[in-house]
Amino acid sequence: KAGVTQTPRYLIKTRGQQVTLSCSPISGHRSVSWYQQTPGQGLQFLFEYFSETQRNKGNFPGRFSGRQFSNSRSEMNVSTLELGDSALYLCASSLTAGDYGYTFGSGTRLTVV
Amino acid sequence: QQQVKQSPQSLIVQKGGIPIINCAYENTAFDYFPWYQQFPGKGPALLIAIRPDVSEKKEGRFTISFNKSAKQFSLHIMDSQPGDSATYFCAASSKGAQKLVFGQGTRLTINP
Repeated sequence: KAGVTQTPRYLIKTRGQQVTLSCSPISGHRSVSWYQQTPGQGLQFLFEYFSETQRNKGNFPGRFSGRQFSNSRSEMNVSTLELGDSALYLCASSLTAGDYGYTFGSGTRLTVV
Repeated sequence: QQQVKQSPQSLIVQKGGIPIINCAYENTAFDYFPWYQQFPGKGPALLIAIRPDVSEKKEGRFTISFNKSAKQFSLHIMDSQPGDSATYFCAASSKGAQKLVFGQGTRLTINP
């Protein structure tokens, strides 16, 4: 059974650019959540999607956005990148909304220079 | 109120010892308390989880103890092995929160 797949694994971007990260959940999982992990702030919730609808959004600026497709795959986008956006971005999937027994992907390591 | 406080930040234990990691929370609406294990270069992996209607749960060498009145829960690892060396995160959620709130993590090292 394939796990949660995140692409790309590593990204280097320049300040001011935008980036799109992709997440394919486990087959049959319909809920996708995104977290940002940094050494200073730990794991911070970004968004949760279920049935192509954003159910909840964390305390991040509007530069952070996401969406979910009909096949449950999800993307998140960060526009006008800042140095402080450098982080590991983790996608987690679960069977349904409100199921927090997540399976995480290995993450996308974003470095902003 | 949404915070989960985890301690210690780092812990070194000899092989066979029983490391204990503690977490405390304020929000009494939290009703799901998982523990995650993370190895370098990997995402967190769900180890074990507990709900507040039980005081203890064991899965293999991992045990969660839960004290509802004190609003604390802890992870114990029996017969620890060098392969258990990783970062461990506690977390909490509730239906109202619609997300997991994570502790800051504990870097555990098991010496051979």
